[in-house]
Amino acid sequence: GDQVEQSPSALSLHEGTSSALRCNFTTTTRSVQWFRQNSRGSLINLFYLASGTKENGRLKSAFDSKELYSTLHIRDAQLEDSGTYFCAAVPGNSAGNKLTFGIGTRVLVRP
Amino acid sequence: DMKVTQMPRYLIKRMGENVLLECGQDMSHETMYWYRQDPGLGLQLIYISYDVDSNSEGDIPKGYRVSRKKREHFSLILDSAKTNQTSVYFCASSLSPNSQNTLYFGAGTRLSVL
Repeated sequence: GDQVEQSPSALSLHEGTSSALRCNFTTTTRSVQWFRQNSRGSLINLFYLASGTKENGRLKSAFDSKELYSTLHIRDAQLEDSGTYFCAAVPGNSAGNKLTFGIGTRVLVRP
Repeated sequence: DMKVTQMPRYLIKRMGENVLLECGQDMSHETMYWYRQDPGLGLQLIYISYDVDSNSEGDIPKGYRVSRKKREHFSLILDSAKTNQTSVYFCASSLSPNSQNTLYFGAGTRLSVL
């Protein structure tokens, strides 16, 4: 959506390399979640952040609520990291848990 | 086993027919959601349900209605389906409407309206 801008739109990585995805927010954001969608369409939650950074294996995410952005770093990329990555934000003026999704970054990891 | 289950997985309907998409979750989550996903648009929120009979419009509710009579079930209804409602529909749930709670998604229903 317009409130959540993801970049790049697509990314090609060789196995073993590292890269970062980014989400910029156009309004204040209370929290961000990152999801990966695999080739069968299943959406898996990777991270929830209200601030700071989190790490899970080769994935690391950061959220800066003041500068209005979040990043997802993929370290030592593996073939199974391929998929479309979405960030989703809860705007500061939103009631409850109404997430606004970005349009995704399509990641392809090549041998 | 924590799971969100959607039925059916694939559905083909003719314009003007009624459509019922069903979603169930076994986690006793209070909050459930219906999203649709279209190329280039990401996921868009149709409806959110905070509990039984406590539903709220999302960003694109027009042409849809929902029903939540039991906490574990959340249905999406299209009365007189339109061709522009061809999409992939995802149901999700979270523990509560608190923004700290992560979403768990079902596998999706691919709907084609001819």
